[in-house]
Amino acid sequence: DTEVTQTPKHLVMGMTNKKSLKCEQHMGHRAMYWYKQKAKKPPELMFVYSYEKLSINESVPSRFSPECPNSSLLNLHLHALQPEDSALYLCASSQGDRGSYEQYFGPGTRLTVT
Amino acid sequence: GQNIDQPTEMTATEGAIVQINCTYQTSGFNGLFWYQQHAGEAPTFLSYNVLDGLEEKGRFSSFLSRSKGYSYLLLKELQMKDSASYLCAVRDLASAGYSTLTFGKGTMLLVSP
Repeated sequence: DTEVTQTPKHLVMGMTNKKSLKCEQHMGHRAMYWYKQKAKKPPELMFVYSYEKLSINESVPSRFSPECPNSSLLNLHLHALQPEDSALYLCASSQGDRGSYEQYFGPGTRLTVT
Repeated sequence: GQNIDQPTEMTATEGAIVQINCTYQTSGFNGLFWYQQHAGEAPTFLSYNVLDGLEEKGRFSSFLSRSKGYSYLLLKELQMKDSASYLCAVRDLASAGYSTLTFGKGTMLLVSP
């Protein structure tokens, strides 16, 4: 199984809503990532979890809150988002966070903030 | 910090060969990846280079020169399905020991009949 799954596929939320994005992998990978991708732009790293601990936070606003309940799951909790936060949110995983380990990406959640 | 440059768009015809270049500047180089991304889909891994030279994988090859901060992705026998964005990504060893992956802006390749 070389699949990273993400739910939901699409999400529309208001600026006062609270929602969560979910990501799951069963490849035994110990590093998991959240990226944000705007249209016609490359993915931008948001967070890295290594062995279920947050190792990198790329100065992401606190309205985005990551959580790693176990080695297979990664959540991104959303609260009080702005319209400019509308983007494709990609989850990825890799065997480790160093060396030649390639990252496997999920299909993404397309988020629209109204 | 990092600076990654690649052409914005390229066009080629079916059956041809195309080379997509990527130049980078980084403080702690720890490998270079190429990903393919079709519109509306997630990036998929194509290749990885950490030492100088050519890595071949079927119709795709990737080359790295660390001294020049340069890589290219070579696609042979182009097919229509190769129309996609090709992302160059550099792994940088951060000061804390963890490595991060920074993507270039991507090269949109259009293959025509």
